[in-house]
Amino acid sequence: AQKITQTQPGMFVQEKEAVTLDCTYDTSDQSYGLFWYKQPSSGEMIFLIYQGSYDEQNATEGRYSLNFQKARKSANLVISASQLGDSAMYFCAMRGLKAAGNKLTFGGGTRVLVKP
Amino acid sequence: SQTIHQWPATLVQPVGSPLSLECTVEGTSNPNLYWYRQAAGRGLQLLFYSVGIGQISSEVPQNLSASRPQDRQFILSSKKLLLSDSGFYLCAWSPPGRMPKMVSNQPQHFGDGTRLSIL
Repeated sequence: AQKITQTQPGMFVQEKEAVTLDCTYDTSDQSYGLFWYKQPSSGEMIFLIYQGSYDEQNATEGRYSLNFQKARKSANLVISASQLGDSAMYFCAMRGLKAAGNKLTFGGGTRVLVKP
Repeated sequence: SQTIHQWPATLVQPVGSPLSLECTVEGTSNPNLYWYRQAAGRGLQLLFYSVGIGQISSEVPQNLSASRPQDRQFILSSKKLLLSDSGFYLCAWSPPGRMPKMVSNQPQHFGDGTRLSIL
């Protein structure tokens, strides 16, 4: 079984500052992938970034980067230079090698509010 | 390019009434399809997934059922809605399969969701 934990239910960040969203996971799979999604108030789920367990480099996509610490089983999302449009719910998810149907397991999410 | 359509966007139904939510995907073949439910301010709970026509896997026991009558069509149904069925329902797809001994790096792509209120 896989489990994703996001311990920060909500946080404020000042515009133009960086913010780190925590994600820890538990799995018995040797190979797995970690995904981050953004959900604005409108409800759609937007894929942000992916990190594979065997990737040697931390993933980056524009202002998003992943601080992947495999030994600690954490995959924290860093958003640099926050913008007002970054205000949203953020979900961490994982997929294990044994996941039937390429299922994802989601964490409970972190709500981010960017202040001007 | 691939697109996913989900409808209706909002739905208000009385307790005990039937339900049918539809999701279709365009631009891909044999996708994996998923139905999720999200309570207000909470994470996503996977309800059903399908890896092919007529193949449905249920993740949690509940009042709902799913069907996949065509390759790119996924339907969520109920014969009699309960108050506890209220929520935000999301359909998603991902490419099929994966390389042997490698986890798939393909994200799931989501529809815009249906907000279901049971009165």
